[in-house]
Parts: sequence; structure tokens; C-alpha cells
Amino acid sequence: KQEVTQIPAALSVPEGENLVLNCSFTDSAIYNLQWFRQDPGKGLTSLLLIQSSQREQTSGRLNASLDKSSGRSTLYIAASQPGDSATYLCAATGTASKLTFGTGTRLQVTL
Amino acid sequence: DGGITQSPKYLFRKEGQNVTLSCEQNLNHDAMYWYRQDPGQGLRLIYYSQIVNDFQKGDIAEGYSVSREKKESFPLTVTSAQKNPTAFYLCASRRLAGDVNEQFFGPGTRLTVL
Repeated sequence: KQEVTQIPAALSVPEGENLVLNCSFTDSAIYNLQWFRQDPGKGLTSLLLIQSSQREQTSGRLNASLDKSSGRSTLYIAASQPGDSATYLCAATGTASKLTFGTGTRLQVTL
Repeated sequence: DGGITQSPKYLFRKEGQNVTLSCEQNLNHDAMYWYRQDPGQGLRLIYYSQIVNDFQKGDIAEGYSVSREKKESFPLTVTSAQKNPTAFYLCASRRLAGDVNEQFFGPGTRLTVL
């Protein structure tokens, strides 16, 4: 059974700092890995999706990498801003496009 | 505006009542999903459907029921058999064709048992 772990559970950084969020998964037989953002009391917003054949994806200040062999993905956020404060979730897609989610990293970017 | 809508945003249920959460999408997506989110536990899959009139149990289906009579709609009923229904419920959908199978989520329904 797939298990997804995110470290750290919470992170506080000053504005402008670059940061890395980590995601690890136990079963490397995945179709893709997806990173989401969730604001308090809201639904999930998809940030990046990396197919199993890809190594990384970029969108603006966000860069996600995938290493299937080691069961790891990272989300790199450059030049963090207070508006980046949210919970970030990673999810590994298995058969029938069922997602297995990590418990998330709660990020706070301070002024 | 294409997207996924969930209603109501907040729902209160008395002990022993069944309640139904609505999920509608106008993205022409084939597959739809229901997740439950509890603090500190991430999202867990309740039910999913890849085609009209067909659905499968997820990891925590006990105490829940669904129907998929139309492609656009996938309502979730929380029955009185669900022992601890207080949670945040999220609906999602995705297109089955093609290589990219990104899931899109609705805004969620927060259910509280009184």
C-alpha cells in the first residue's frame, strides 16, 4: 500500500528566502506526482504535476522535481512571499488515478 | 466559467440523520472522486466513479453512499452508519483521455454533527 510522507510538517521563513518542501513515497510504481496548495477552509489548487517519465516541472517561482528510484519529490519555492503562506500537499497517483496524499507542510512566510 | 461546485459550504447534521453533499462539474470530466479531510491525516478516498452508473469504494467507504446518474454530478450521502462524520469533504474530477491526468478539486463542504 502506498504511503506518502511530507517533511517538515510546518515551516516558518522570512520573506524573500528560498525554500524546499519534501515529499517521499514508498511505492515507485506511480503514474505521476502532483503538488497542491490549500488555504485554510478552502479546496485544493493544483500547482504542478510531474509525469513518471519526467524529472521536473516549473511554473513561475515554483519548481518540482521527481526521483522515482529513490521515492522522492521536492517543491522548491524561490523568493518566498507572504502570499505563499498555505499548506502544501503532495499526492502520488496510482492505478485508476487514485491519489494517495501526504499530510502536508504548513508554510508561513513572515514579513 | 468551468469548474467544480460543491454545496452547501457548511452543513450541520443531527445524530441519526442522513445528509447529501452535492458535487457538480462542467469540465466534461469522466472521473469524479470524493475525499474526506481530517486534521493531521491528509485526504482519504471515500468513493470514485470513472463512468456514469458505475462507482467503486475507496479506502473509507463504510457509512457513505454515492450515485452517478449523470456525468456532471456525483452526490455523496453520509448515512447514520458513519460513526464520526464531522470532517471537511472534497470532491474532485479528472479527464480520463490523454497522458495528463491532473485532478481538479471543488471548494469543499464542512460537515458538523451536532
